[in-house]
Amino acid sequence: NAGVTQTPKFQVLKTGQSMTLQCAQDMNHNSMYWYRQDPGMGLRLIYYSASEGTTDKGEVPNGYNVSRLNKREFSLRLESAAPSQTSVYFCASSPLGQKNQPQHFGDGTRLSIL
Amino acid sequence: GNSVTQMEGPVTLSEEAFLTINCTYTATGYPSLFWYVQYPGEGLQLLLKATKADDKGSNKGFEATYRKETTSFHLEKGSVQVSDSAVYFCALSDEGSSNTGKLIFGQGTTLQVKP
Repeated sequence: NAGVTQTPKFQVLKTGQSMTLQCAQDMNHNSMYWYRQDPGMGLRLIYYSASEGTTDKGEVPNGYNVSRLNKREFSLRLESAAPSQTSVYFCASSPLGQKNQPQHFGDGTRLSIL
Repeated sequence: GNSVTQMEGPVTLSEEAFLTINCTYTATGYPSLFWYVQYPGEGLQLLLKATKADDKGSNKGFEATYRKETTSFHLEKGSVQVSDSAVYFCALSDEGSSNTGKLIFGQGTTLQVKP
């Protein structure tokens, strides 16, 4: 089982460039999430999609946009990258987005903004 | 709002030592609680969970008990191995958000086990 697949695994951008991070899951999950991980801060939610056709802001949405392309795919876009967006980005999914259901994570995208 | 606080690391132990990683939380209502583990270069994996007060989650020799009276969910293992070296995250579900399953994470605790 592939689970949650993120592409690319690594990327270096210059300030002002744009980029889309891709995420796909093959578990038929309804809910998908994007987090960023920064040293000493744990993971913080950027955006989530509780079900196909819906997206909502999380804790740190500024500078990002998302698209729930279909049930499998949830992409994260940086329109104009800034050095503060240097981070490791994780995509996750869960079956129904209920509080007692764990999330399944991809291996992350390591993004550096110069 | 809801929050999770973990003990600061890194935690360095010798093989076969006893492990405790403290986790306390602030939440309204009745959240579910989780421990995730992250091995170097990988994503997070669920280690264990508990969904109501006094539940004990367990997996791979790790245990944690949901203590509502102390708002805690401490992770324990009786005898750690070198292969347990990783970053451990405590998390709670955002119980106030219906059917979203959003997680709030602690800052993570790095565990290093030496032979």
